[in-house]
Amino acid sequence: GNSVTQMEGPVTLSEEAFLTINCTYTATGYPSLFWYVQYPGEGLQLLLKATKADDKGSNKGFEATYRKETTSFHLEKGSVQVSDSAVYFCALSEGETSGSRLTFGEGTQLTVNP
Amino acid sequence: NAGVTQTPKFQVLKTGQSMTLQCAQDMNHEYMSWYRQDPGMGLRLIHYSVGAGITDQGEVPNGYNVSRSTTEDFPLRLLSAAPSQTSVYFCASRTTLFSGYTFGSGTRLTVV
Repeated sequence: GNSVTQMEGPVTLSEEAFLTINCTYTATGYPSLFWYVQYPGEGLQLLLKATKADDKGSNKGFEATYRKETTSFHLEKGSVQVSDSAVYFCALSEGETSGSRLTFGEGTQLTVNP
Repeated sequence: NAGVTQTPKFQVLKTGQSMTLQCAQDMNHEYMSWYRQDPGMGLRLIHYSVGAGITDQGEVPNGYNVSRSTTEDFPLRLLSAAPSQTSVYFCASRTTLFSGYTFGSGTRLTVV
């Protein structure tokens, strides 16, 4: 079956540091890949997505590239801010046969200190 | 522009009680899903629907029922609450397979 593996957290960075959160996946077909962010006490918000190999998703300074050869979708940001402190989830969605199913990683807690 | 609305935000149940978590969306989305979020386990799919009148089981359906009589509403029913159902529940909807989900703000359920 499908699975998503994220780097273990929590991750603590200083403001303006470079961020990488690793995400790798296992899927039988050609999934769409997503990063979601969850701020304390809130639901998940879509951060970015990529629907085919070599696509780059980007939003709010965050980027991730769909790498089929390494089955990865790592999240990066060049300079983090305190307001980026949240939990980040990598997820995949594959094919009409799976209906609307999203498979999530366990989440990575990011804390950015001033 | 309400998006996905979940009620209640918090609920405490006694073991064996039943209740319905409400979910409504005003975006005319065909796809709707219920997830539960537990520490260290990410989000797991409970039930989903690809349109009015059509529902199917997800990864962890036992102890839960759903129905989809309208496009807008997708309630989740707990038949006989158990402590293992203590969790945060999220409802989500989307338009197409390739679009991202819009999530509600969640219902925090405690079963004692």
